[in-house]
Amino acid sequence: KAGVTQTPRYLIKTRGQQVTLSCSPISGHRSVSWYQQTPGQGLQFLFEYFSETQRNKGNFPGRFSGRQFSNSRSEMNVSTLELGDSALYLCASSLESGVFGYTFGSGTRLTVV
Amino acid sequence: QKEVEQDPGPLSVPEGAIVSLNCTYSNSAFQYFMWYRQYSRKGPELLMYTYSSGNKEDGRFTAQVDKSSKYISLFIRDSQPSDSATYLCAMLRGGSNYKLTFGKGTLLTVNP
Repeated sequence: KAGVTQTPRYLIKTRGQQVTLSCSPISGHRSVSWYQQTPGQGLQFLFEYFSETQRNKGNFPGRFSGRQFSNSRSEMNVSTLELGDSALYLCASSLESGVFGYTFGSGTRLTVV
Repeated sequence: QKEVEQDPGPLSVPEGAIVSLNCTYSNSAFQYFMWYRQYSRKGPELLMYTYSSGNKEDGRFTAQVDKSSKYISLFIRDSQPSDSATYLCAMLRGGSNYKLTFGKGTLLTVNP
């Protein structure tokens, strides 16, 4: 059974650019969440989607956005990149509500220079 | 005060030791509790989940929840060098909230 797949694994961008990250959840999982992980702040929740609808959003600026497609695949976009956006971006999926835990991908390491 | 507090360590133990990892939380709305293990350059891997006070055992791992004290623990018996990783506690509120709140993680090293 394939796990959560995130692409690309590594990305280097320049300040001011925008970036799109992709996530393919485990087959049958309809809930997809995104998290940002930094050494200083740890893992912080960005947003969660279920059946193409955003159900929860974290405390991040509007530059961070996401969407989910009908096949449950998800993308997140960060516009006008800042140096502080350098982080590991993790996608996680679950069947529906996450009460039995989320399965995480290996993440996309974004470096903004 | 952060919603979830976790001692970042680092924690270094000899192989075969019993390891105790702990988190405290302040929000009584948290109903579901999880422990994740994260190796370097990898995503977090779910180790255990539980929703009731008491103990839950899985192999060498035991998760303990005390809702009255807002305290959760993970015990690792007969620790192995392969257990060396960062351990993260995570919590989920009940109802229609699908956001995991994580502790900062504890870095564990098990020395052969």
